[in-house]
Amino acid sequence: GEDVEQSLFLSVREGDSSVINCTYTDSSSTYLYWYKQEPGAGLQLLTYIFSNMDMKQDQRLTVLLNKKDKHLSLRIADTQTGDSAIYFCARSGGFKTIFGAGTRLFVKA
Amino acid sequence: NAGVTQTPKFQVLKTGQSMTLQCAQDMNHEYMSWYRQDPGMGLRLIHYSVGAGITDQGEVPNGYNVSRSTTEDFPLRLLSAAPSQTSVYFCASSYSTGDEKLFFGSGTQLSVL
Repeated sequence: GEDVEQSLFLSVREGDSSVINCTYTDSSSTYLYWYKQEPGAGLQLLTYIFSNMDMKQDQRLTVLLNKKDKHLSLRIADTQTGDSAIYFCARSGGFKTIFGAGTRLFVKA
Repeated sequence: NAGVTQTPKFQVLKTGQSMTLQCAQDMNHEYMSWYRQDPGMGLRLIHYSVGAGITDQGEVPNGYNVSRSTTEDFPLRLLSAAPSQTSVYFCASSYSTGDEKLFFGSGTQLSVL
């Protein structure tokens, strides 16, 4: 959807950190999400952040939310080849979850 | 606990044919939805349901029908398939509309010739 935007590709070396960025236009969402899609599979919820939080950390994952700039990021520390996938940013919208186009993460060994 | 199950995994149709994509969940989720995924466009919502007997349109509902006669099942019907409906279709569910963490099925890849 146009109101959630992400860059389409990111390439990193194994062991480096990956940062996937997302911007959105509607600030009314209660939650913002990151989903992961591996080849041939459905999406899987990776992590989420409540809209009144600035940061959430979960093992190798760090989510940063800048409400003023309507910017969400997902940082993956020590990126592994198994992290290669498409990552979708999404926002809650009442009965509808609005997804970005997805960022394809390539991890080079 | 199978989660969200979609069938078939692959389907090829001719223009004008009709078919039903099946979706079932065994988590007693109130909310169910259908998305289509097209390259570079992310996921777009087709239809959704907040409970048995209640359905509503999403972003791209034209050419599709849904029904929700039970909590578990939410089939998607293509009335008269068109090449523009070539896509990957995902069914998703969540516990309730207040808890929007979605669980996805593995998808149906549909080609319309």
